[in-house]
Parts: sequence; structure tokens; C-alpha cells
Amino acid sequence: GAVVSQHPSRVICKSGTSVKIECRSLDFQATTMFWYRQFPKQSLMLMATSNEGSKATYEQGVEKDKFLINHASLTLSTLTVTSAHPEDSSFYICSATGSEAGNTEAFFGQGTRLTVV
Amino acid sequence: GQQLNQSPQSMFIQEGEDVSMNCTSSSIFNTWLWYKQDPGEGPVLLIALYKAGELTSNGRLTAQFGITRKDSFLNISASIPSDVGIYFCAGPKYNFNKFYFGSGTKLNVKP
Repeated sequence: GAVVSQHPSRVICKSGTSVKIECRSLDFQATTMFWYRQFPKQSLMLMATSNEGSKATYEQGVEKDKFLINHASLTLSTLTVTSAHPEDSSFYICSATGSEAGNTEAFFGQGTRLTVV
Repeated sequence: GQQLNQSPQSMFIQEGEDVSMNCTSSSIFNTWLWYKQDPGEGPVLLIALYKAGELTSNGRLTAQFGITRKDSFLNISASIPSDVGIYFCAGPKYNFNKFYFGSGTKLNVKP
């Protein structure tokens, strides 16, 4: 299957600082990338969908000014958690689809464990 | 929000036993996907189903796309300890700009 690489895998930051998470498709062009948040023992909660070159579409209840998403190229999307607070601590996962993947399958990154102290 | 109902929520089985989990929806899906997530990792795609009635295998895993297109099941035969994890079903929205996920089935395998 297609490979999606997410970085960093773990990050600890101080409250009030910003953190950037990168999601790269390594062997296909990701026309659409999705960002999820996952709480312990729960399923994936979609935060936003981004298409290359256009503004991200945020799910209801997700603050777009707090979770900045950029999808500037067909292989890279970034999620920046601005002015992070302890309640933002979570597991963040990206996934991507592309024409080479038939647009019918989503491939996931390894996830990023964010801890805000 | 999610439109997929997945069951059971969790299972505790003995190594060597077979396992079955399923996913249902009130809406029709044209594709069903099954993923496995290990602790602290992102989900990995196990099987993709594209056609109603389709039965597809991947090693000890077998999944079927229900004939009504509103359900799917995943079977794991002769379970082993490394099968431990959370299994998710998923289906894309008709224009593939969103994927819906089930709530997951947590599988525990006793050696």
C-alpha cells in the first residue's frame, strides 16, 4: 500500500507555545489529506479535510484558528496547534488519499503523541 | 459524525480461536475498508472491499461486503498474540472527501 509519513511521532511542549506536525505522502500524490484526533480508547475524530492548494474544511466544533492546516503541495500537509494548552494533549493522526490509491482508500501516518505541559 | 456501528466493542479470546466482528450502517457504502491499529500507531489498511457480496482474504483475515451494501464483517482465523489491537471499519463518503469510521473493536488474545 501507499506510504504516509508523519513527523514527529512524539512531542512535548510548554503551554502557550505552538507545535507543527507534518504529514507526507512518500510514494503517491495526496490530493486530499485528513487530520484526526484520537482520545484514549476511542475512535478517530475527524478534525479537518484539506485539498492541495485550497483552504481546509473544518468539522463542526474544531477551531480553525487554533488548528492551522496547510496543504501547500501534493505530498505535504501540516497541522499547527497554536497556543497549545494541556487539553490539546492527544494523539493526532493524518491520512491521505490520491488518484494512485484510487481515491477509494485512505492511508494513515504513524500518528503524533502531543503532550502539553 | 460517524455513521458506522461496529460490534463487538471488545473481545477476549484464547490464542488459536477464530474471531468475527462486524460493521453496519443505515446508509449505503460503495467501499468498505478494514484497518488495524496497534497502540501508539496509526491504523494500517488490512482489506478493501469494492463490490457488494465480495469476499476477500488477506492471510488469516477474511472480509465480506454485505449484499445490501450496508454491512461488512471481518473474520480472523486461528488468532495469534500479534493480532491484538483495535480493528476499525471505514467507508468513504460518495465523493471520497470524507471517511467514516466505526467505533472500533478491541481484540485481546491470551497466549
